[in-house]
Amino acid sequence: SQQGEEDPQALSIQEGENATMNCSYKTSINNLQWYRQNSGRGLVHLILIRSNEREKHSGRLRVTLDTSKKSSSLLITASRAADTASYFCATAFFIIQGAQKLVFGQGTRLTINP
Amino acid sequence: DGGITQSPKYLFRKEGQNVTLSCEQNLNHDAMYWYRQDPGQGLRLIYYSQIVNDFQKGDIAEGYSVSREKKESFPLTVTSAQKNPTAFYLCASSFWARGADTQYFGPGTRLTVL
Repeated sequence: SQQGEEDPQALSIQEGENATMNCSYKTSINNLQWYRQNSGRGLVHLILIRSNEREKHSGRLRVTLDTSKKSSSLLITASRAADTASYFCATAFFIIQGAQKLVFGQGTRLTINP
Repeated sequence: DGGITQSPKYLFRKEGQNVTLSCEQNLNHDAMYWYRQDPGQGLRLIYYSQIVNDFQKGDIAEGYSVSREKKESFPLTVTSAQKNPTAFYLCASSFWARGADTQYFGPGTRLTVL
């Protein structure tokens, strides 16, 4: 299976702490993307890291990619209650020109306690 | 949720009925996708479309059908052949890929079979 695996499945921390989520995958990829989903809602794109990149930052988010280990991590610094959500990594493969397939992990449910 | 709308938000279906889920985007995206999400799970690809009048099966296409008569619209029909249709359905779209690209998601439709 191409599906990524996320670790941990659930994470509960205090507001202000950092949260780290990990994603592992099995085959070569074009890029890896992280999405957030609030309960019962659609997914919101957070950050995309290409296969030739090792680290990207966006605000309080930091993503790393290690293609030799086929793994990625998402770090959220100085967490806030509003960060409470499920976080998914998605590995991207081109299927035909103009479209790419995203293979999603099962997600990490993050709870920020006030 | 960007410029993608899905309707209805909630849908109830009796066994044996076909139902159609709507997805419309005003982002001028070429590619569109349908995903299914089961509780506590990641997303699985049902169908995708690169251009008008063309679409391809994803990983779990059995029991579903789609059409792409307009660039802006990509409706999904859940047929009576789908054995377990109760799920959360998400539509997404993306630009013609010239490299890695982001998918933008709609707010989803929750389908329940009575």
